[in-house]
Amino acid sequence: NAGVTQTPKFRVLKTGQSMTLLCAQDMNHEYMYWYRQDPGMGLRLIHYSVGEGTTAKGEVPDGYNVSRLKKQNFLLGLESAAPSQTSVYFCASSYEGQGKFHEQYFGPGTRLTVT
Amino acid sequence: DAKTTQPTSMDCAEGRAANLPCNHSTISGNEYVYWYRQIHSQGPQYIIHGLKNNETNEMASLIITEDRKSSTLILPHATLRDTAVYYCIVRPPTGTASKLTFGTGTRLQVTL
Repeated sequence: NAGVTQTPKFRVLKTGQSMTLLCAQDMNHEYMYWYRQDPGMGLRLIHYSVGEGTTAKGEVPDGYNVSRLKKQNFLLGLESAAPSQTSVYFCASSYEGQGKFHEQYFGPGTRLTVT
Repeated sequence: DAKTTQPTSMDCAEGRAANLPCNHSTISGNEYVYWYRQIHSQGPQYIIHGLKNNETNEMASLIITEDRKSSTLILPHATLRDTAVYYCIVRPPTGTASKLTFGTGTRLQVTL
């Protein structure tokens, strides 16, 4: 089991460029999440998905788009990168069942710098 | 979701117990207390959770006060590898838009 993997690990973009971050999980989890973490701050939820083909906005969704075409993958897109999007991006997944708790498993993070 | 308050930082000697407090005075009756930690630059890691009873697992113990307005995470024998930021999170049970709201946490420094 690889758990949650993220691609790439590091990326430098110029303002206005676009890119897609890939998150993959092999635990057959229904729920997947994208968070960002700025220096000295806690994680903030960008978007999440409760199943294949569904997405929803989190706390800080502006400037990002997501897609969940396959259950195991959750893509985060930046259409026109801005310096304010310089951050570390974490993906997570979890199994969710009524009346049961299942922890969120996090990936190793993608460090993105926008110049 | 209820807000939580944690000290910004704490120190603990290796081998001693680390007691990390969390205040959640506005917690609702159906909200659980969760603890995650984040070791330098890595993704957060789940530690433990509880509703109103004390809980223990292989990593830690969680003590929740009777009025549920505060809790304490206990690492019984802290090691250098426990140096991390510890997040106390309060949220409803699963099946209800299971988002985690992270604050700034407590930075625990374990020293020799």
